[in-house]
Amino acid sequence: GAVVSQHPSRVICKSGTSVKIECRSLDFQATTMFWYRQFPKKSLMLMATSNEGSKATYEQGVEKDKFLINHASLTLSTLTVTSAHPEDSSFYICSARDRVESNQPQHFGDGTRLSIL
Amino acid sequence: RKEVEQDPGPFNVPEGATVAFNCTYSNSASQSFFWYRQDCRKEPKLLMSVYSSGNEDGRFTAQLNRASQYISLLIRDSKLSDSATYLCVVAGDSWGKLQFGAGTQVVVTP
Repeated sequence: GAVVSQHPSRVICKSGTSVKIECRSLDFQATTMFWYRQFPKKSLMLMATSNEGSKATYEQGVEKDKFLINHASLTLSTLTVTSAHPEDSSFYICSARDRVESNQPQHFGDGTRLSIL
Repeated sequence: RKEVEQDPGPFNVPEGATVAFNCTYSNSASQSFFWYRQDCRKEPKLLMSVYSSGNEDGRFTAQLNRASQYISLLIRDSKLSDSATYLCVVAGDSWGKLQFGAGTQVVVTP
């Protein structure tokens, strides 16, 4: 089945560091990828929609200068949390839609647990 | 008002019993509905889609009530491995944007 690989799975770093998270679709092409954030016992919240070859679309309240998204190919999107602070600590999950298998919803990566000290 | 609302639970269920729970959604234009399962500190995994006529997948039955804008999930003959958080997910007509509920926690006990 469709597989989405997300890396790294766990990051612990100091406040002020920038952290890059990669999301790859391993066996399908994804024109569109999505980035979510989930706080404990809360629902997944869509942060942005990443479109291959164009600028990402950010949800209301998400700072585009803080959460940089690059979708340079049909199989890779990256999210960079710039100058991370403790309040950015969260579970970040990417997902991707198979542009061929349009009758399937999104396939999720394993998630990245980010902890900012 | 949240777009997708769920009873957070937990629903404590004896092994072998049946458990059911609902999810309500606010956008009447929603077209697609899903149940996802999320284990602790893991990514969500698709459990099943929900169709207008209702559908069954083994021990799991999903129902959709468009008039009242809710979907339901029923788990029969609960197994210990069914313990998880079940996420209600609603999408528009393109599946481009999924709205997640906060999840209903189910705990199956021996």
